[in-house]
Amino acid sequence: EIQLQESGPGLVKPSQSLSLTCSVTGYTITSGYDWSWIRKFPGNKMEWMGYISYSGSTNYNPSLKSRISITRDTSKNQFFLQLNSVTTEDTATYYCARGQLDWYFDFWGPGTMVTVSS
Amino acid sequence: EIVLTQSPTTMAASPGEKVTLTCRASSSVSYMHWYQQRSGASPKLWIYETSKLASGVPNRFSGSGSGTSYSLTINSMETEDAATYYCQQGSSYPFTFGSGTKLEIK
Repeated sequence: EIQLQESGPGLVKPSQSLSLTCSVTGYTITSGYDWSWIRKFPGNKMEWMGYISYSGSTNYNPSLKSRISITRDTSKNQFFLQLNSVTTEDTATYYCARGQLDWYFDFWGPGTMVTVSS
Repeated sequence: EIVLTQSPTTMAASPGEKVTLTCRASSSVSYMHWYQQRSGASPKLWIYETSKLASGVPNRFSGSGSGTSYSLTINSMETEDAATYYCQQGSSYPFTFGSGTKLEIK
């Protein structure tokens, strides 16, 4: 079965960049579907951040467009999130997930908590 | 951006009780999807394309709706159903989520 696993630093300083990795097993990310990053803030609000498609194209939430980049390493079956110029408001649990055709998310990683603090 | 408003924010139900959670969209969407999230766990796809149950979801759950109004119903509440439920739309970018309904057992 497909599994996703997020990894990366749990603490980032304000104004620095947040970088996370999503490792996928059980499915090749270039075979199909789109691969998203989603975050959940303290207080439960959830935000879709963006995706990279199986073909390598990307689509980002306009609220993040100037700060976000999603890339991938097909040889390692991983995709990545980079969020620049972070503030304390970027403190959240970050999830990677697989997106289906009608844009629902059928497989999720367990999530990784990132705190932005000096 | 389509805003999804869930109600109630929190509710408690007794075992065996019928429960209905609602999700209203600020603009019409083609489908609504629902997720269940228990404390400390990642969201699980629960209902997709408005009314289709995800794998392993008990058939006491159902989903319905169209346009701007959608609902998730539990026919007979069970202890294991206590969780937070989120709706999500994928009809229009950016994809958005509701703020969740926390369902507790009485």
